[in-house]
Amino acid sequence: DQQVKQNSPSLSVQEGRISILNCDYTNSMFDYFLWYKKYPAEGPTFLISISSIKDKNEDGRFTVFLNKSAKHLSLHIVPSQPGDSAVYFCAGFLTGGGNKLTFGTGTQLKVEL
Amino acid sequence: DAGVIQSPRHEVTEMGQEVTLRCKPISGHNSLFWYRQTMMRGLELLIYFNNNVPIDDSGMPEDRFSAKMPNASFSTLKIQPSEPRDSAVYFCASSLQHSSYEQYFGPGTRLTVT
Repeated sequence: DQQVKQNSPSLSVQEGRISILNCDYTNSMFDYFLWYKKYPAEGPTFLISISSIKDKNEDGRFTVFLNKSAKHLSLHIVPSQPGDSAVYFCAGFLTGGGNKLTFGTGTQLKVEL
Repeated sequence: DAGVIQSPRHEVTEMGQEVTLRCKPISGHNSLFWYRQTMMRGLELLIYFNNNVPIDDSGMPEDRFSAKMPNASFSTLKIQPSEPRDSAVYFCASSLQHSSYEQYFGPGTRLTVT
């Protein structure tokens, strides 16, 4: 049962434009959602989070939006830069669930010059 | 400060052989996680430990997989016998135990079973 789904395996965006990465989930008990970023030959690194009681969290060029009724979240990157090219993983976190993260399958973002 | 250390970085082995992956978590972190990354399933949690005790191993695919954490600074993931379908990148991650969603990942071990 895939509780967190990223239906777009890849996305290509021009430098300077907005990148929008999408994520859907089925477990309404998650109380935080996270985005992790992964470069080739490296482990994923934490990027940004959002509490389930919020609908938006912003950190510089990165903004995450949460729509609980639709069980959908998205990561907006604006403006996109070539260094943003990476795989982005969405994850759900359940407090009291033992620190377990449930990850999606990832979206490969390519920012072109 | 050193991050999570994994060894080896690459492992190529023949089907049927035993494989042991190693992990040293960040000092002071008391939760440790083993993940497997594949194209089809993304990042799957295999097992995690809190204070060296296995908490949830429901993600371990089969009895061929086992993991240990003999002390706070070392963990192993063993596959015996290995099969070609075990080929993947295996990540170790650590975090502070108390409800921390920020996990710190190692660079991974790329395992190829021929």
